[in-house]
Amino acid sequence: GAVVSQHPSRVICKSGTSVKIECRSLDFQATTMFWYRQFPKQSLMLMATSNEGSKATYEQGVEKDKFLINHASLTLSTLTVTSAHPEDSSFYICSAGGGALFAEAFFGQGTRLTVV
Amino acid sequence: KNEVEQSPQNLTAQEGEFITINCSYSVGISALHWLQQHPGGGIVSLFMLSSGKKKHGRLIATINIQEKHSSLHITASHPRDSAVYICAVRGRGSTLGRLYFGRGTQLTVWP
Repeated sequence: GAVVSQHPSRVICKSGTSVKIECRSLDFQATTMFWYRQFPKQSLMLMATSNEGSKATYEQGVEKDKFLINHASLTLSTLTVTSAHPEDSSFYICSAGGGALFAEAFFGQGTRLTVV
Repeated sequence: KNEVEQSPQNLTAQEGEFITINCSYSVGISALHWLQQHPGGGIVSLFMLSSGKKKHGRLIATINIQEKHSSLHITASHPRDSAVYICAVRGRGSTLGRLYFGRGTQLTVWP
C-alpha cells in the first residue's frame, strides 16, 4: 500500500519555541492531507485539511495562527506549532490522499510532542 | 454526540477467543474504515468497505448500510492482536474525504 512518512516521531521542546512536523507521501501524489490531534485515550480530532497549493481549512476551535499548515507540494505538508505551551503536548498524526487513492486511509506514524 | 459510536470501549480476551467490536454511525458515508493503532501510536488501515463483508486472515469486517452498523471480528485471537481498534467513516457530499472517528476499543488478549 501507499506510504506516508511523518517526522519526527517524538519531540521535546521548551515552552515558547516552535516545532515543525513533516508529513510526506512517498509513493503517490497527495492532493489532500489531514492533520489530527489525539489526546490520551481519546479519539482522533481533525485539526485541519490542507490542499496542495491553497490555504488550509481549519476546524472550529483550532487556532490557525498557532498551528501553521503548509502544503506547498504534492508530497509534503508541514504542521508548525508556534510558541508551544505545555497544553499543546499531544499526539499529532497526518493522513494523506489523492487521486485514485483518495478514498483510502494512509496515516503517518504520528508525532509525540512534549512541551516542557 | 459523536457521529461514530464504538463498543465496547475496553475488551479483554483469552488467547483463541472470538472477538467482536461494534460500530454504529449517524452520518451518510462513502466508506467505512477499520483501523488498528499500536501502543507507539502508528495507525494501520485494516479494512475499507462500503458494503457487504471483507476477510483478511483472521480478521473479518462486515457492514450493514441500512442499519448504519459495522462489526470487526477477530477469530482465534492472539496476544499480538492487542491494540486499539478504531472505526472511522468517510463522509460524502460536502464532507467528502473527511474521516469521523470512533473513540476506539482497547483490546487486550492474554496468553
